Amino acid sequence: AQKITQTQPGMFVQEKEAVTLDCTYDTSDPSYGLFWYKQPSSGEMIFLIYQGSYDQQNATEGRYSLNFQKARKSANLVISASQLGDSAMYFCAMRENYGQNFVFGPGTRLSVLP
Amino acid sequence: NAGVTQTPKFQVLKTGQSMTLQCAQDMNHEYMSWYRQDPGMGLRLIHYSVGAGITDQGEVPNGYNVSRSTTEDFPLRLLSAAPSQTSVYFCASRPPLGELFFGEGSRLTVL
Repeated sequence: AQKITQTQPGMFVQEKEAVTLDCTYDTSDPSYGLFWYKQPSSGEMIFLIYQGSYDQQNATEGRYSLNFQKARKSANLVISASQLGDSAMYFCAMRENYGQNFVFGPGTRLSVLP
Repeated sequence: NAGVTQTPKFQVLKTGQSMTLQCAQDMNHEYMSWYRQDPGMGLRLIHYSVGAGITDQGEVPNGYNVSRSTTEDFPLRLLSAAPSQTSVYFCASRPPLGELFFGEGSRLTVL
């Protein structure tokens, strides 16, 4: 069965610094996708970044990058140059390509300090 | 760009009452789903659908019903609300192999 683990319930980072949010996953499917979502205090779910299991390079989207270590089954989100607006809940999720559904981790609450 | 639209945004029910959360998407996605979000537990899948006329259970289906008569609409019904169903509910849809597109969420309180 799919499973996502996010071991950091809360994280603090100073404005303009980089921060890494951890995500480990478990699957027996060789083909899968990993996703990160941001949920600000307003409540909406915002898609940030995607990594496919066969992608050779780590995904990047602006200040977001995904540190994908397939052998370790980890897909950590790196946010560079943190901004106050990055304060939010962050969810890691996975979908096996032969499955239909996403599985979400419990989330990490990031607080950016001025 | 409407995307995924959920209504209502807020609802208070008494134990035993019924209600329907509406969800509509205008992206022609075959896949639609309902999640509930509870503190410390992430999002858990309630029901999902891979096309009109097809629905299936997710991780936490008890107490909820769904139907899918059209590609656009995927309502979630609570037949007899219980305090344990107090939660934030999200409807989401996706294209094949793509990311989930979420509605804005519906906060439900059952007294």
